[in-house]
Amino acid sequence: ETGVTQSPTHLIKTRGQQVTLRCSSQSGHNTVSWYQQALGQGPQFIFQYYREEENGRGNFPPRFSGLQFPNYSSELNVNALELDDSALYLCASTPGLVVTGELFFGEGSRLTVL
Amino acid sequence: QKEVEQDPGPLSVPEGAIVSLNCTYSNSAFQYFMWYRQYSRKGPELLMYTYSSGNKEDGRFTAQVDKSSKYISLFIRDSQPSDSATYLCASGLTGGGNKLTFGTGTQLKVEL
Repeated sequence: ETGVTQSPTHLIKTRGQQVTLRCSSQSGHNTVSWYQQALGQGPQFIFQYYREEENGRGNFPPRFSGLQFPNYSSELNVNALELDDSALYLCASTPGLVVTGELFFGEGSRLTVL
Repeated sequence: QKEVEQDPGPLSVPEGAIVSLNCTYSNSAFQYFMWYRQYSRKGPELLMYTYSSGNKEDGRFTAQVDKSSKYISLFIRDSQPSDSATYLCASGLTGGGNKLTFGTGTQLKVEL
């Protein structure tokens, strides 16, 4: 069974640029959620996708957007990068929308904005 | 005020000690309570999950939820150096999907 994989693992961007982060969900999982974890903080919910539709969003501006594809993989796009966007971006997948508490996280993409 | 509050530590204990980690929350609608463990440069992994109030035990780990005081606890018995990690408490709502509200995380170091 393949776990959640994310790419790239590290990247550096400058303020104002755009970034795309990618996530492959665990086999059999149709729901993907994205979290932002700033240094020394807990993960913060950005949004989740279920069957290619956004299904729930946290307190993040519209420049954070996403996609889910028919194979349930997902992308997180961030436009007009700001310094505060520097963080670890975590993708998590589950076999559905029902909260069981068990999110399967990837190892994250660490974004540095200069 | 954050919905889930957690002392960031760091907390340093000797091997074999009993560790107590705690969180408080403010949203009385939370029904699901979890503890995740996060090793350095890794994603969080679920340790314990509790629905509503009560205790749950799994090996050396015990999770407690007291909804009347909005208090979440994790106890680790016979702590090992391999337990050194950041422990994140999290809460969720019924119907909230995969939206969890996490605490800041407590960094734990178990020393030989």
